Amino acid sequence: NAGVTQTPKFQVLKTGQSMTLQCAQDMNHEYMSWYRQDPGMGLRLIHYSVGAGITDQGEVPNGYNVSRSTTEDFPLRLLSAAPSQTSVYFCASSYSDGMNTEAFFGQGTRLTVV
Amino acid sequence: KNQVEQSPQSLIILEGKNCTLQCNYTVSPFSNLRWYKQDTGRGPVSLTIMTFSENTKSNGRYTATLDADTKQSSLHITASQLSDSASYICVVSAGWTDKLIFGTGTRLQVFP
Repeated sequence: NAGVTQTPKFQVLKTGQSMTLQCAQDMNHEYMSWYRQDPGMGLRLIHYSVGAGITDQGEVPNGYNVSRSTTEDFPLRLLSAAPSQTSVYFCASSYSDGMNTEAFFGQGTRLTVV
Repeated sequence: KNQVEQSPQSLIILEGKNCTLQCNYTVSPFSNLRWYKQDTGRGPVSLTIMTFSENTKSNGRYTATLDADTKQSSLHITASQLSDSASYICVVSAGWTDKLIFGTGTRLQVFP
């Protein structure tokens, strides 16, 4: 059982480049989300989805796009990378957005924008 | 503003010793409180989830407590092992949509 799989694990981008961080889960979870983790700060929600075809913004959505065409996949797109987007990105999934549901996290993608 | 604060920021203990990590929160409406363990270079992994009505919950050598009146939680680690070296993150779920508010974590290092 793979759980939540993120690719790539590491990435270096030049300012202005675009890229897509991939996230896939094999647990048939409805709820998926993207977070970024920066030194000295807690994880912050970028975007989330409560099911295929439904997405919404989190706390820090600027500069990122998402889509949810299938239950399994939830890619995060950086439209024009900026040094401020240097961070570690985590994808998470859970059964629903209801109460007391455990969230499962991927291994993270460490992104550096130069 | 919804906030989760953890203390200490970092902690060093010797193998076999016990330790307690603290979490204070100002989150409303409160749904549940979670403790996660995050190894270096890995994603967070859930240790416990506690609702408003639960005072304590154990997972092996990890015991979490919750005082909903004072809005405080603690994570007690018994007989620490080298593999306990990690960051421990307190997370509070807010509202009916289960929005997660993350603390900045306590970095624990266990030395032999």
